[in-house]
Amino acid sequence: DAGITQSPRHKVTETGTPVTLRCHQTENHRYMYWYRQDPGHGLRLIHYSYGVKDTDKGEVSDGYSVSRSKTEDFLLTLESATSSQTSVYFCAIRGTSGRAGEQYFGPGTRLTVT
Amino acid sequence: QKEVEQNSGPLSVPEGAIASLNCTYSDRVSQSFFWYRQYSGKSPELIMSIYSNGDKEDGRFTAQLNKASQYVSLLIRDSQPSDSATYLCAVGGWAGNKLTFGGGTRVLVKP
Repeated sequence: DAGITQSPRHKVTETGTPVTLRCHQTENHRYMYWYRQDPGHGLRLIHYSYGVKDTDKGEVSDGYSVSRSKTEDFLLTLESATSSQTSVYFCAIRGTSGRAGEQYFGPGTRLTVT
Repeated sequence: QKEVEQNSGPLSVPEGAIASLNCTYSDRVSQSFFWYRQYSGKSPELIMSIYSNGDKEDGRFTAQLNKASQYVSLLIRDSQPSDSATYLCAVGGWAGNKLTFGGGTRVLVKP
């Protein structure tokens, strides 16, 4: 699992409440990613980070914000959760094998918005 | 918008046979290609990466890349019931900073 943990692993929340998901890595990787996975849509990139305080949007960033104040932690925040944000959220890091692009995933967070 | 297409399946394969999975992509400047395996309820696991045209073999897995035709395939030889999973194709751009994933192909290996 490339030293990646996600918390919480499961969460049920109500529409309109703020939610923060945490991704923690122990191997000093520069690049970190947040994806969501939904049936019929595969994995879709929400936001990614290429360093402390350096982040950029992915293809489905509306309704989400991120922060990275230290190398090991990448936070995903749903400012006001909606039912359409019910999904499984995966964090990933980019490997450092020297070849471009390999990503390794954390265990995931299952979020249900009621 | 960059697209990666896979047949959703399920691809049903007898035990011991070869499973053949295909993936096509739209971005001609794509430089890196990956296959992930995902068991139900688990996270994706990287099983193959390929960067140059041709074949790359790793154990029972062979990845094949044809950039001119914009497709990448995965062969699983001597399929086992433990190979039953969803296989995700992922394609990376020139900088290699982001991946675009296909929707995945579900494979069922029947004893």
